[in-house]
Amino acid sequence: AQKITQTQPGMFVQEKEAVTLDCTYDTSDQSYGLFWYKQPSSGEMIFLIYQGSYDEQNATEGRYSLNFQKARKSANLVISASQLGDSAMYFCAMKGVGHNQGGKLIFGQGTELSVKP
Amino acid sequence: DAGVIQSPRHEVTEMGQEVTLRCKPISGHDYLFWYRQTMMRGLELLIYFNNNVPIDDSGMPEDRFSAKMPNASFSTLKIQPSEPRDSAVYFCASRSPVGSAEAFFGQGTRLTVV
Repeated sequence: AQKITQTQPGMFVQEKEAVTLDCTYDTSDQSYGLFWYKQPSSGEMIFLIYQGSYDEQNATEGRYSLNFQKARKSANLVISASQLGDSAMYFCAMKGVGHNQGGKLIFGQGTELSVKP
Repeated sequence: DAGVIQSPRHEVTEMGQEVTLRCKPISGHDYLFWYRQTMMRGLELLIYFNNNVPIDDSGMPEDRFSAKMPNASFSTLKIQPSEPRDSAVYFCASRSPVGSAEAFFGQGTRLTVV
């Protein structure tokens, strides 16, 4: 069975500093996809970044980068130069591609990030 | 495209009443997901469809919950009878079949059962 684990319920970071949000996953699939979403206090779910299991390079999108360590089954999100607007809940998610679970998208418990001025 | 559209945005109902949540996915997306978000359980996958066919409903909490997708542009999640513990935000999301495609979420329906 697939599982996503985010062990940090809450994190604080000083404005303009970098922060790493942890995510580990468990799957028996050889091919899968990993996503990060941001949920501000307004409640909408905002897609941030995607990493495919066969991608050789870590994904980057602006200030967001994904530290993908396949052997460790981890997909940590790094936010550089934190801004006050980064304060939100962050979710790690995994998409399976197996025969019976193809397309299934499951989420971790989330990490609440607070950026301090 | 207007994105994933959910209705209603807010629903307050009395225990025992039937509740129907609605979702219109993005045109061309063949995957549709229903999630429930609570403080205690986080974001739980209830059920998902592919090409209007339910693929995995193992997350549906009990028989009081049912979901349908009669066509590619409409899905419903029904709770009958509703209970206070069903109070949560229910999200609908859709995505295209492209492997790297992200899921797009609706604004959610905040359900309160009193």
